[in-house]
Formats: sequence, C-alpha cells, structure tokens
Amino acid sequence: QVQLQQWGPGLLKPSETLSLTCGVYDSSVTGYYWTWVRQPPGKGLEWVGEIDHSGSTHYNTSLQSRVRISIDTSKNQLSLTLASVTAADTAVYYCARDEVPEYWGQGVLVTVSS
Amino acid sequence: AIRMTQSPSSLPASLGDRVTITCRANQAIDTSLAWYQQKQGKTPKLLMHAASTLELGVPSRFSGSGSGTDFTLTITSLQSDDFATYYCLQYFTYPRTFGQGTKVEI
Repeated sequence: QVQLQQWGPGLLKPSETLSLTCGVYDSSVTGYYWTWVRQPPGKGLEWVGEIDHSGSTHYNTSLQSRVRISIDTSKNQLSLTLASVTAADTAVYYCARDEVPEYWGQGVLVTVSS
Repeated sequence: AIRMTQSPSSLPASLGDRVTITCRANQAIDTSLAWYQQKQGKTPKLLMHAASTLELGVPSRFSGSGSGTDFTLTITSLQSDDFATYYCLQYFTYPRTFGQGTKVEI
C-alpha cells in the first residue's frame, strides 16, 4: 500500500518561504504524477500544482510565480516550495500521487502569522 | 482556468434519501472529471474518475454521470457514513480545478 508521509514547518512569518517534503514509501517517485493540493481552514480544496514522470511541472496560475515542485529520486521524495508567503497561504497542504490523486499524504497545516 | 461550479453548496438530507450533486464546467471537459469525498479532518477520498468509473471498494450506491460541461454525483439511499463534503475535480486541462464543494449534512 502506497504511503505518503509529509513534514515541514507549521508556522511561518509573512514573506518567508514555505518548504514541505513528502516521503514516498512502497512506491517509486519515478513513473508517476505527483500533485500538491491545499485547503485553507474551513474552506475547499485548491490544486497547487503537479510534476509528472518526465519532471515537467504545471502550477496553479495564481501561484506560479512563487511555487516550485521538485522530485528527489535518490531520496524517493518530492518537495514543495512557496516563496513570499502571506496569511492567504495558511492552509493544510497535501501531497498526493497521480494526476487524479488517489493516494494522499496526511496533510500538514502551515500557518502564516507575524 | 476552467471554473467548476458545484450545486448546491449545502445539502440537508436524511438517511435513506437519494441525493444528487451537480458540477458544471464553464467549458467542455469531455469526461475528465473525478469526485472526492472528504470527511471532517480527513484526507479526501477518490470516489470515481472519468465521470462515472467507480473506484475499487466504493459502494455501488454512488454513481456518476455526465459529459462535456454538466456532471452529477448521485447517492442512492444515503447512509450515515456518507455525510461529508463532496468535491469535483476536472483534469481535462491545466491548471486542474476543484469545485467549491457540497456539504451533505443532516
């Protein structure tokens, strides 16, 4: 059974960079699409971006100037960075496998507050 | 970006009810639509893809239909385990977009 385990800082100050990592277990990061989704507290799901098996990335239009998704095949993990965060970036961030995400990480709540 | 509009936003229902949730895209997406169920504090669960293909293990009381711009998720005979928020996701083009969600509640 594929397991995704996420970690990263839960509290950031405005203008800092969000960095989250998603470790992949019982699956390889190669050969699959990987997606990041976020969910502000009490609100709906928002697609953040995706990296495919060739390393090509696609991002939410509203975030694409600040966001980057990458894969580290040596560690079998993927990463999300989001620069210059504001309070509007406060959300639970999920990593997930496949372009129609079926397997999800547990989610990490990232709060942006001064 | 394609905009996905779900209706209703909230759906009061009772056990045994037949409920229908609608998702409308502002441009055609063929059948590139998935439905998710999310319970409070939990990760989303994929119910179906390709508008109507049920994932393994999803009860047959769930069904989906539609193509192009209009899609529906139907739950026949609502069970207590079905009270949750449901989201549609289009994967026809980038960026992918979710509907705003429909909360099925008592």
